Amino acid sequence: EAQVTQNPRYLITVTGKKLTVTCSQNMNHEYMSWYRQDPGLGLRQIYYSMNVEVTDKGDVPEGYKVSRKEKRNFPLILESPSPNQTSLYFCASSLSPPGNEQFFGPGTRLTVL
Amino acid sequence: AQTVTQSQPEMSVQEAETVTLSCTYDTSESNYYLFWYKQPPSRQMILVIRQEAYKQQNATENRFSVNFQKAAKSFSLKISDSQLGDTAMYFCAFMKDSGGGADGLTFGKGTHLIIQP
Repeated sequence: EAQVTQNPRYLITVTGKKLTVTCSQNMNHEYMSWYRQDPGLGLRQIYYSMNVEVTDKGDVPEGYKVSRKEKRNFPLILESPSPNQTSLYFCASSLSPPGNEQFFGPGTRLTVL
Repeated sequence: AQTVTQSQPEMSVQEAETVTLSCTYDTSESNYYLFWYKQPPSRQMILVIRQEAYKQQNATENRFSVNFQKAAKSFSLKISDSQLGDTAMYFCAFMKDSGGGADGLTFGKGTHLIIQP
C-alpha cells in the first residue's frame, strides 16, 4: 500500500530534550516536506526537500532541523524543544513539483511541557 | 508571498443539501495550482480536488466541484448532496508554478464543515 508513515504518532516531552520524528514514504517520491498545524493558523511549511541531500527552509524553520540521506526518509529533528513547538506535525511527499498531489502522513501530536 | 483566505471559520448544513465553501487568494504569479484538502476527525489530510490555473474549465470530482474565478482570485468548493461523512475541516491551498513549486503548499486557516442529520 502506497503510504507516508510517521513515528511516533503521539509524544509528550519536556523542554530541551532532543527528539526526532521520523517520516518514511514508499512511493519513490522526490519531494518531501514537513508542516505544522496549529489551531486557527492552518498548516505552515517547516522544511522541504527536493531530493536526496537537498533541503531548504519553509516558512517556519526556526528550532527545527532535517536531513535527507535516503530518498524514502525525511526525519524532523528538534534539538532543544520548547513549549511553542507543541503542535500537530505532518510529513508529506509527492513527485517533483509543481502541481503534483502531496500525500500526507497521519500526523504526529507533539506536546512540549 | 502568497496568502490564502478562508472567510468562513465554520458552517453547518443539513444532510443532502448543497454547500459552498469560500476561498480567496492573493498572488502575483500567473501560473499556479489550487487545491482543496479535507481533514476529517481522524486528522488525515485527503486531497479533494485540484485545479490548474491555466485551465478555464472548473474541476469536478463526483459530488465536489469548484468555481475558479482567476481574475477575482477566487476558488470556492461546492459540495452537492452533502453526506454525514463530509463533516471535516476543509483547507484551501495554493502552490505556485515558478521555481518548480518547491515552496510547497500555502494553506488557508480552514473551514469546519458540519453536516447535520
